[in-house]
Amino acid sequence: AQKVTQAQTEISVVEKEDVTLDCVYETRDTTYYLFWYKQPPSGELVFLIRRNSFDEQNEISGRYSWNFQKSTSSFNFTITASQVVDSAVYFCALSAAFSSGSARQLTFGSGTQLTVLP
Amino acid sequence: DSGVTQTPKHLITATGQRVTLRCSPRSGDLSVYWYQQSLDQGLQFLIQYYNGEERAKGNILERFSAQQFPDLHSELNLSSLELGDSALYFCASSPRGGEGQPQHFGDGTRLSIL
Repeated sequence: AQKVTQAQTEISVVEKEDVTLDCVYETRDTTYYLFWYKQPPSGELVFLIRRNSFDEQNEISGRYSWNFQKSTSSFNFTITASQVVDSAVYFCALSAAFSSGSARQLTFGSGTQLTVLP
Repeated sequence: DSGVTQTPKHLITATGQRVTLRCSPRSGDLSVYWYQQSLDQGLQFLIQYYNGEERAKGNILERFSAQQFPDLHSELNLSSLELGDSALYFCASSPRGGEGQPQHFGDGTRLSIL
């Protein structure tokens, strides 16, 4: 079975602070995919990033960066110099590869509500 | 704009009724997924269709059913509605069978049962 844990229920920061959202996952599959989605107050789910289990290279995209560590089953997301518009619920998600025979649909964590104060 | 269209945006109905939620996937996407987001259960996968055929089933109640039509749009039918069915229902789509491909979500249908 797959499981995604986002232990931080709510985080509040002041604008321009850096913030890291934690994600820990469990899977028995050797090949899998990890995702981050953002859900702003308007309610839609917006795709942010995807990572393959065999690609541990971390990435920076503008103010966003991701730290994938297979050894600790973690896929953390950092926002640098946060802005008020970053306020949203952020979801980490996991899906398996076809070859594993496991579920290919997304298994979501419970989400982290990020509030960026002006 | 994700390219996935869901209608209606809001639906208010009573217990015992039946409703149909509609989803049009992104152009070229063959897979459609349905998810339910509720306060107590979070985001849960319901069912997936690929090119008209059911591909995977999650925590979908027997009172719920779905189908994907030849033009690839999908409908989620909810019947004998209960208060606990009040939730935000999302449709997502991805290319081909979906392995590793990000799923792009519609804006959701907010269902309120009175």
